[in-house]
Amino acid sequence: QQQVKQSPQSLIVQKGGISIINCAYENTAFDYFPWYQQFPGKGPALLIAIRPDVSEKKEGRFTISFNKSAKQFSLHIMDSQPGDSATYFCAASKDDGKLTFGQGTILTVHP
Amino acid sequence: DTEVTQTPKHLVMGMTNKKSLKCEQHMGHRAMYWYKQKAKKPPELMFVYSYEKLSINESVPSRFSPECPNSSLLNLHLHALQPEDSALYLCASSPSGTSSYEQYFGPGTRLTVT
Repeated sequence: QQQVKQSPQSLIVQKGGISIINCAYENTAFDYFPWYQQFPGKGPALLIAIRPDVSEKKEGRFTISFNKSAKQFSLHIMDSQPGDSATYFCAASKDDGKLTFGQGTILTVHP
Repeated sequence: DTEVTQTPKHLVMGMTNKKSLKCEQHMGHRAMYWYKQKAKKPPELMFVYSYEKLSINESVPSRFSPECPNSSLLNLHLHALQPEDSALYLCASSPSGTSSYEQYFGPGTRLTVT
């Protein structure tokens, strides 16, 4: 019940395209859903996060869509750029301080 | 200053060595975390300190020993490690103890055990 399933494992997008990464969770006690971006050799950086009382949150080119009934959430990257090429992790948390991560998506944006 | 710093960046140690990893944050955050990350995998939680007290130990072997000397500093003492312990060790912090959710990661220490 603690799992977060993330897809796809890898994604190739052309510059200017939309990148979409999906996650699904099982534990209905989760109440915080962040996305992290990680470049090779660096630590994960908090990108954007959402709570289940909101269906969508947008920050610049990054949007989280959240479907509470389906227990799914997704990250959309609009106008994808080569500099967005990185590994993206979704995660879920409840009030115990533990982040449950998805397995990650390697995004490659071709120029 | 929104930065978590970690030293050293790289560490190579033999299986009989004793070494320590250091993490610092000056954001006034009250929870600090150690994670282990293997290549192409997500971070795995090891320890959580909340208000300088160990609150979570994820059944980590005793060859890893955490220490939180003060609210800004977190150490991970390493002893008698195995080659399979080679990984990126990440420190993170969050503002108001473990209930504040947002976790900010440092750049990590790349550890190689020979």
